[in-house]
Amino acid sequence: NAGVTQTPKFQVLKTGQSMTLQCAQDMNHNSMYWYRQDPGMGLRLIYYSASEGTTDKGEVPNGYNVSRLNKREFSLRLESAAPSQTSVYFCASSSNRGTDTQYFGPGTRLTVL
Amino acid sequence: SQELEQSPQSLIVQEGKNLTINCTSSKTLYGLYWYKQKYGEGLIFLMMLQKGGEEKSHEKITAKLDEKKQQSSLHITASQPSHAGIYLCGAASGTYKYIFGTGTRLKVLA
Repeated sequence: NAGVTQTPKFQVLKTGQSMTLQCAQDMNHNSMYWYRQDPGMGLRLIYYSASEGTTDKGEVPNGYNVSRLNKREFSLRLESAAPSQTSVYFCASSSNRGTDTQYFGPGTRLTVL
Repeated sequence: SQELEQSPQSLIVQEGKNLTINCTSSKTLYGLYWYKQKYGEGLIFLMMLQKGGEEKSHEKITAKLDEKKQQSSLHITASQPSHAGIYLCGAASGTYKYIFGTGTRLKVLA
């Protein structure tokens, strides 16, 4: 039982490059989330998916897109990376209700040069 | 909008000492979560509190939610180096909307 997994663990991009961060959960959770964590800013929600087939913007969605591929997988795409997107990205999932406990993945540390 | 404020921002204690971390909300809390984060790792769920006056313990860590449900504390008894890390409080501020404190960085000196 792996919980929430994320790939890659580390990534360095040049400005303008694109990449996709992958997230998968094996807890049969309906809801999945993408956060970014920056020093002094705490965790900020980028996008979430309440259930398979739906996605919604969070607090800081600009420059990102998401895909809820199936119930298990939720990906985050940076189409044209910018230095301001240098951050640690966390995926999380929760069961049925939108106020349940969230379980987090190990994170992806992204640097954009 | 609702905010969570944690104090202190950082803490250095000698092994064996007790310590308390606080989390204060600008609005009533309907679910308060405590997480621990180690460098380079994700957030590990510790405990969730929902009811006013509720208290939960896990090993040497005790979390409490006050009666007014606007403040929570995390207390570690007889701290050990394994307790070192960043402690974050989080809360559901609406359906599918969660907010988090900026964290308390704990260092335990052996």
